[in-house]
Amino acid sequence: DAGVIQSPRHEVTEMGQEVTLRCKPISGHDYLFWYRQTMMRGLELLIYFNNNVPIDDSGMPEDRFSAKMPNASFSTLKIQPSEPRDSAVYFCASTHRRGTDTQYFGPGTRLTVL
Amino acid sequence: KNQVEQSPQSLIILEGKNCTLQCNYTVSPFSNLRWYKQDTGRGPVSLTIMTFSENTKSNGRYTATLDADTKQSSLHITASQLSDSASYICVVSGWGSGNTGKLIFGQGTTLQVKP
Repeated sequence: DAGVIQSPRHEVTEMGQEVTLRCKPISGHDYLFWYRQTMMRGLELLIYFNNNVPIDDSGMPEDRFSAKMPNASFSTLKIQPSEPRDSAVYFCASTHRRGTDTQYFGPGTRLTVL
Repeated sequence: KNQVEQSPQSLIILEGKNCTLQCNYTVSPFSNLRWYKQDTGRGPVSLTIMTFSENTKSNGRYTATLDADTKQSSLHITASQLSDSASYICVVSGWGSGNTGKLIFGQGTTLQVKP
């Protein structure tokens, strides 16, 4: 398996533009997670899905952020409109089952909002 | 307040030496504790996962310990190698919404191994 795939790897955009990040989880994994990492705040869980259904979105910072998982092999994280403070590395991770199963992270998308 | 604190913030050691990273948490109720290694520019990679009943778990030269009574964990690296240079993140899972539980992240310890 190729592991968790994220695209793009780097994104530079201007404030106010819409940004869409993409993730393909490992085949057969039932859980998908979106994280954000910054120097100031470290790693933060934004939202996670189980069987394509959003379970906990309490980490989503505000209404400008939205996430979807239309099928088991694809998820998006959208920011509209983007702001400079959204600049961070966004990771997607997946795991097969709950609890103590290992989460496998993608390589991340480095987002810069000018 | 649920928190995970790691120490030291950064550490420099010579190749071949051992080191120990610390993680203290106040997450309650506790479900499990994970250590991740994150190389620069890469996503975190899981090293160990421990539940309440586990005191120690090894993964090669990495050994994690857990004291659920004092709410402390340590990650010991034996015979360090240059490739151990990375950030090490402690993550504690408490019982929360859904089945996965709320994940509380430490700020990480940055380890640099010098030749």
